[in-house]
Amino acid sequence: KNQVEQSPQSLIILEGKNCTLQCNYTVSPFSNLRWYKQDTGRGPVSLTIMTFSENTKSNGRYTATLDADTKQSSLHITASQLSDSASYICVVSGKAGSYQLTFGKGTKLSVIP
Amino acid sequence: DSGVTQTPKHLITATGQRVTLRCSPRSGDLSVYWYQQSLDQGLQFLIQYYNGEERAKGNILERFSAQQFPDLHSELNLSSLELGDSALYFCASSLGLAEFTGELFFGEGSRLTVL
Repeated sequence: KNQVEQSPQSLIILEGKNCTLQCNYTVSPFSNLRWYKQDTGRGPVSLTIMTFSENTKSNGRYTATLDADTKQSSLHITASQLSDSASYICVVSGKAGSYQLTFGKGTKLSVIP
Repeated sequence: DSGVTQTPKHLITATGQRVTLRCSPRSGDLSVYWYQQSLDQGLQFLIQYYNGEERAKGNILERFSAQQFPDLHSELNLSSLELGDSALYFCASSLGLAEFTGELFFGEGSRLTVL
């Protein structure tokens, strides 16, 4: 069964600090991996999409890395801001019968002053 | 603004009732996906349509049904509502099939409260 595990479940950091969120997946074969940001009560917004051939991708202060061999991805947030407080969701596309998107449960990040 | 429009934004109803949630995808997007998110839970895939045809089903209850119309808007029908159906329901759209390389755009959700 395809699975996407995210860690930690929740994280509290001080404004201005960096943090790294982890995503491990068992989806195979693998097509692409996405990171979404979801503000409380709002729809998820895409941060990055990476195919299996990409190792790193940046979007402003957000940098995602991918190791397709170990089936791990990370999302690094630099110089955190209060507005970074949200849930970050890892989504992996792969084949289980037909191609489908498998969602992680998310990491809830709280940035405090 | 993702370009995906969901209505209503909020809905309060009683157990046993039936509701319809509506989704207008981004202009030109052919795929529509429906997701359920219960309190502090991850997004659960319900159903997917592509150009009017059902393409994939997830954990959708038999009490729930959906369809995509010729103008590509979609409706999710929830019947015989139970307290546990209270959740945020998200619609997302994609130009093609998001499970390949397509970008997936989410609406702001419809918050359903069943009393």
